[in-house]
Amino acid sequence: EPEVTQTPSHQVTQMGQEVILRCVPISNHLYFYWYRQILGQKVEFLVSFYNNEISEKSEIFDDQFSVERPDGSNFTLKIRSTKLEDSAMYFCASSGDRGNYGYTFGSGTRLTVV
Amino acid sequence: GDSVTQMEGPVTLSEEAFLTINCTYTATGYPSLFWYVQYPGEGLQLLLKATKADDKGSNKGFEATYRKETTSFHLEKGSVQVSDSAVYFCALSPYGGSQGNLIFGKGTKLSVKP
Repeated sequence: EPEVTQTPSHQVTQMGQEVILRCVPISNHLYFYWYRQILGQKVEFLVSFYNNEISEKSEIFDDQFSVERPDGSNFTLKIRSTKLEDSAMYFCASSGDRGNYGYTFGSGTRLTVV
Repeated sequence: GDSVTQMEGPVTLSEEAFLTINCTYTATGYPSLFWYVQYPGEGLQLLLKATKADDKGSNKGFEATYRKETTSFHLEKGSVQVSDSAVYFCALSPYGGSQGNLIFGKGTKLSVKP
């Protein structure tokens, strides 16, 4: 069964450093998403991406964050200068339609900012 | 705005007990509704979905019926197993005008004891 692949599974970084989280969505999907889950809290939408541009973003997705699909297969989330409160599990997801029929999530990257 | 409310956890049951996890939603238009499951240390997996009123989603013995009149999508299982221990998230995908980003409830942790 096709799956969404995320790397790395766990990343530890120092406060103020830049991190790039990587995702390989399902190959024929057109819509891509990043969500995050701070430990013990609910899953929160960050951003959606379609046709090589951001289609929607939440208040969490401020200027520190950016997304890119550099080569037609990878989908990346960059955090420019990490803060302690960026520590969370980050999930990538993709869908073949506007999401009404479900998303496929990756297994997540646990980001720890120290 | 659109929102999802699900019952607070944790829920602790004995094996073979009946499970109900309540979920209600607020949405404009006609959302699609989902239940996702997160097993310990893993990512989000789609458990079941319903895309229109009166649809019943089912998978692995779990069921949920899309009730427009009560704006509910309660998750049920007749006989739970220890392996069902996980966090369950109710979610909706708005319809029309949205790129389909998911709105999650806070999650309900289920523990099943042998």
